[in-house]
Amino acid sequence: AQKITQTQPGMFVQEKEAVTLDCTYDTSDPSYGLFWYKQPSSGEMIFLIYQGSYDQQNATEGRYSLNFQKARKSANLVISASQLGDSAMYFCAMREGASSGSARQLTFGSGTQLTVLP
Amino acid sequence: DTGVSQDPRHKITKRGQNVTFRCDPISEHNRLYWYRQTLGQGPEFLTYFQNEAQLEKSRLLSDRFSAERPKGSFSTLEIQRTEQGDSAMYLCASSVYGGDNTGELFFGEGSRLTVL
Repeated sequence: AQKITQTQPGMFVQEKEAVTLDCTYDTSDPSYGLFWYKQPSSGEMIFLIYQGSYDQQNATEGRYSLNFQKARKSANLVISASQLGDSAMYFCAMREGASSGSARQLTFGSGTQLTVLP
Repeated sequence: DTGVSQDPRHKITKRGQNVTFRCDPISEHNRLYWYRQTLGQGPEFLTYFQNEAQLEKSRLLSDRFSAERPKGSFSTLEIQRTEQGDSAMYLCASSVYGGDNTGELFFGEGSRLTVL
């Protein structure tokens, strides 16, 4: 089974509007971490936001917030006030195991291509 | 620039040739990862090192692939007898192991391989 599922291959949003990118995950490990990365056309993966499985509050980083619904195993990324520079590929990823002490690497989803329209 | 650097950024080779990629991680990072990414897909894990020890290898890493991190600093990924299916972006990432941090990976800009 897929560990990380991103069901939206492509999304469009109008500049200044908010957009939600979906991510569901599958793990039996009670300790895990969820990450979102942005990959512009230049290719570099840029870290955006992190949510730990035991974190009580949803993570926020500037215009990025993570809508974490543990029972549904979803970790959707919300981008508020979209900008043209937000156009990129967005990847959800999961690390199984507690914090950086886990021996496990990140597993990535297949990504969502976001296009911000002027 | 103190980020992760990869060299070369682009490599075009003929089928059957050997290629080697180099990755210089962030200096204080003790973990180093190699991922492969094909067009329109997410990165797929290949292998990772903690210091100089190679701790895990994916089944994607066939016997034509070998990775080293001899002194626990830079790493090389060699592909022998390249095949057209090896054409991909090879991404290197580094992280800090231990302590109270998220285990976030810091990625380089990747080395794009094209096998003709």
